[in-house]
Amino acid sequence: DSGVTQTPKHLITATGQRVTLRCSPRSGDLSVYWYQQSLDQGLQFLIQYYNGEERAKGNILERFSAQQFPDLHSELNLSSLELGDSALYFCASSTGDLVGETQYFGPGTRLLVL
Amino acid sequence: AQTVTQSQPEMSVQEAETVTLSCTYDTSESDYYLFWYKQPPSRQMILVIRQEAYKQQNATENRFSVNFQKAAKSFSLKISDSQLGDAAMYFCAYRSARTGANSKLTFGKGITLSVRP
Repeated sequence: DSGVTQTPKHLITATGQRVTLRCSPRSGDLSVYWYQQSLDQGLQFLIQYYNGEERAKGNILERFSAQQFPDLHSELNLSSLELGDSALYFCASSTGDLVGETQYFGPGTRLLVL
Repeated sequence: AQTVTQSQPEMSVQEAETVTLSCTYDTSESDYYLFWYKQPPSRQMILVIRQEAYKQQNATENRFSVNFQKAAKSFSLKISDSQLGDAAMYFCAYRSARTGANSKLTFGKGITLSVRP
């Protein structure tokens, strides 16, 4: 158990809908990262937050957004869902934002868009 | 941009034997970190081992060790005394150590390891 929690574990929804994925980092960690794992794209970095502020962006679609709240939990919002958004979404956390820190992954949220 | 390549999609090993998983990467940076993550059927991403590029000594964690060849940009994972619980997908990952760089991990496509009893 990495100490990172993600809810829900599974999500089934329809095209055009909007969903919210939630992540609670390890106790004391200030950085949260979101990754998407799909069959065709593999594991891709989406976005990072550090202590409530957006720190880095990766291949995140405009239909997707995220935020980190004062209690440091983070939410990833996916809207106007398409079939291709079906994937496993991981949250990871690290203590701060230093280059040497290890990222610890949560169990993931499996999203299926029908 | 950095890339990570895992050219072997699948490998198989006999229980108690040794197996080596290959990974190559491309970067113009001199300072970085390399990781191996394990993803068992539960889909959890578990850190197996990490290597700092500035260290010449290869990292070791119990039955897991790496062969880091910086000049060749190669980073292979050796699993000794393979166990049934080692069956999983293994991902090689790169992270820049450059000050101000994005902290993201760049992953390879992964390799599926099966362990034969």
